[in-house]
Amino acid sequence: AQSVTQLGSHVSVSEGALVLLRCNYSSSVPPYLFWYVQYPNQGLQLLLKYTSAATLVKGINGFEAEFKKSETSFHLTKPSAHMSDAAEYFCAVNPGYSSASKIIFGSGTRLSIRP
Amino acid sequence: EAQVTQNPRYLITVTGKKLTVTCSQNMNHEYMSWYRQDPGLGLRQIYYSMNVEVTDKGDVPEGYKVSRKEKRNFPLILESPSPNQTSLYFCASGLLSGGFYEQYFGPGTRLTVT
Repeated sequence: AQSVTQLGSHVSVSEGALVLLRCNYSSSVPPYLFWYVQYPNQGLQLLLKYTSAATLVKGINGFEAEFKKSETSFHLTKPSAHMSDAAEYFCAVNPGYSSASKIIFGSGTRLSIRP
Repeated sequence: EAQVTQNPRYLITVTGKKLTVTCSQNMNHEYMSWYRQDPGLGLRQIYYSMNVEVTDKGDVPEGYKVSRKEKRNFPLILESPSPNQTSLYFCASGLLSGGFYEQYFGPGTRLTVT
C-alpha cells in the first residue's frame, strides 16, 4: 500500500535561510509525487510534480524537489526563504494508471518564516 | 477564470440536520473528488467520480453521499451530520495527465456540527 510520511509537522526558518521540508513515500510501483501548498484560508495549489522524467523537479515560487528512489524520498527545498512562503505544505503520492484516481496525502508541514 | 467553487464556505449546523455542500467546476474535467482535512491527518478522500453517474468510495466515505448528474457539479451530502464530521472540506476536479489526475482544488468549506 502507498503511504507518505512528512517529517516535522512544523518547521521554522529565518528569512533568507534554506527551506528543507522532508517527505518519504512508500509505493510498490514507481509513483507520481507531488507537493502542494496551502496558504491561510485557501485551497491547495500544486507546487510541483514528479512524473518519472527528470529527478530534479522545479516548481513555482523558486521551490524544487529531488526524487531519490534509493532513499524513497522527495524532499522540498528553496535556497532562500521569503516571508510569503509561510504556509502549510503537503506531499502526496499517486500510484498512477490503474489507480490514477487515487492520491494519498501526507499529514502536512507548517512552514513559519522568522523576520 | 478556470476555477472550482464551493458553497457555502462556512457552515455551522446541529446534529442530524441534513445538509448539502455544493461543488462546481468550469474546466470540463471528468474527474471530481471530495476530501476532508483534519489537523495532523492531512487530506483524506471521501468520494470521487470519474465521470457523470460514476462515483466511488474513497478512504473515509461513512456518513457521506455524493451524486454526479452533471459533469460540472459534484455535491456532498450529509444526511445526518454528527460532531465527528466537523472538518474542513475540499472539492477538487482533475484532468488526466499521463497516468494520474492533475487536481485543482476549491477554496474549502469549514463545517462545524454541534
